[in-house]
Amino acid sequence: DAGVIQSPRHEVTEMGQEVTLRCKPISGHNSLFWYRQTMMRGLELLIYFNNNVPIDDSGMPEDRFSAKMPNASFSTLKIQPSEPRDSAVYFCASSLVGTETQYFGPGTRLLVL
Amino acid sequence: GEDVEQSLFLSVREGDSSVINCTYTDSSSTYLYWYKQEPGAGLQLLTYIFSNMDMKQDQRLTVLLNKKDKHLSLRIADTQTGDSAIYFCAERVFSHMNYGGSQGNLIFGKGTKLSVKP
Repeated sequence: DAGVIQSPRHEVTEMGQEVTLRCKPISGHNSLFWYRQTMMRGLELLIYFNNNVPIDDSGMPEDRFSAKMPNASFSTLKIQPSEPRDSAVYFCASSLVGTETQYFGPGTRLLVL
Repeated sequence: GEDVEQSLFLSVREGDSSVINCTYTDSSSTYLYWYKQEPGAGLQLLTYIFSNMDMKQDQRLTVLLNKKDKHLSLRIADTQTGDSAIYFCAERVFSHMNYGGSQGNLIFGKGTKLSVKP
């Protein structure tokens, strides 16, 4: 299995630009999670989906952030407009509902100038 | 609210045992986890323990859980330079918005950076 796939691995953009992060979960998994990691705040859950339905988006920082999961094999996290304080590593993880293990992707390192 | 605390740094010599400690606040946590993150990589699940257990051993790893004190520890025996990484403690909590499934959120500590000196 290829594991959780994220793209791009690195993104550098200017303040005000739209950023789209992509995630392909492990085939057969039906839960998907988006996390953000910063030095100051550590690892924070932004949103998670069960069976493509958003379950808890209380971690999404503000309306500039949106996430979609149009099908079981793809999810996006969009930031529009981006700001320097959005600079972080964004991780996607997937799991099978009823099991105890979340598998993490390699992350997208985002730098907003 | 939920909170998970860890010390930020630990330095040991190769061959010694490492003990990484963690405290959590949510008494309803059902599972507690240890993840490892190597530089530039995602998080890798090392082990987890169910809240009705006191101890779990897996090769060089020993997890101890004191549910009364809400204290979790990870012991790495015979620590190697390849064990140098950041170790995250996490507890599983259930969102009040959770429905239609048993999946809960993971609340992570800020991680303990383990440095192993040769």
